[in-house]
Amino acid sequence: EAGVAQSPRYKIIEKRQSVAFWCNPISGHATLYWYQQILGQGPKLLIQFQNNGVVDDSQLPKDRFSAERLKGVDSTLKIQPAKLEDSAVYLCASSLTDNEQFFGPGTRLTVL
Amino acid sequence: QQQVKQSPQSLIVQKGGISIINCAYENTAFDYFPWYQQFPGKGPALLIAIRPDVSEKKEGRFTISFNKSAKQFSLHIMDSQPGDSATYFCAASKRDTGRRALTFGSGTRLQVQP
Repeated sequence: EAGVAQSPRYKIIEKRQSVAFWCNPISGHATLYWYQQILGQGPKLLIQFQNNGVVDDSQLPKDRFSAERLKGVDSTLKIQPAKLEDSAVYLCASSLTDNEQFFGPGTRLTVL
Repeated sequence: QQQVKQSPQSLIVQKGGISIINCAYENTAFDYFPWYQQFPGKGPALLIAIRPDVSEKKEGRFTISFNKSAKQFSLHIMDSQPGDSATYFCAASKRDTGRRALTFGSGTRLQVQP
């Protein structure tokens, strides 16, 4: 079974630029999550989708971050404009059941 | 507000020894407590999980001990091996109007020396 796919794996941008990350969840998984993992910390939830609807985006900085999940499958997370403190690994996860989440390898973002 | 506190931040254990990582939570509504293992350059992977209706769960060399009254749970790795060297995260979740996102601890970097 293929895992959660993410791209790109690495991205370096300058502050105030925009960037987008892509996630393809495990086939059939209705729930998709985006987490932000700052170096030395645990992942922090940014947004959760159930099919193509947003379930929880309470911790998403909506002035600069946006996410969508078209057709309830793939998802993109966008940052515009990026700040230095956005440097982190952005993890996508998906789940079929109520509990176990399967994580992708993440996208490491460096903002200069 | 940090809802899940994890310690220690780093841990060095000799091969064959026991690794112990502790977590404490604040929200009594949490009802699912997983541990995730993360290797460098990889996403976290579920290792073992427990619900509060049991005090202990064992899977191979990995055991979760759960103390509901103290709001604490811990991961024990028996016969630790160099391949266990990774970062371990405890987490907790609760059902809340259809949501079940994870709240993670800050992580423990485990190094098992050969």
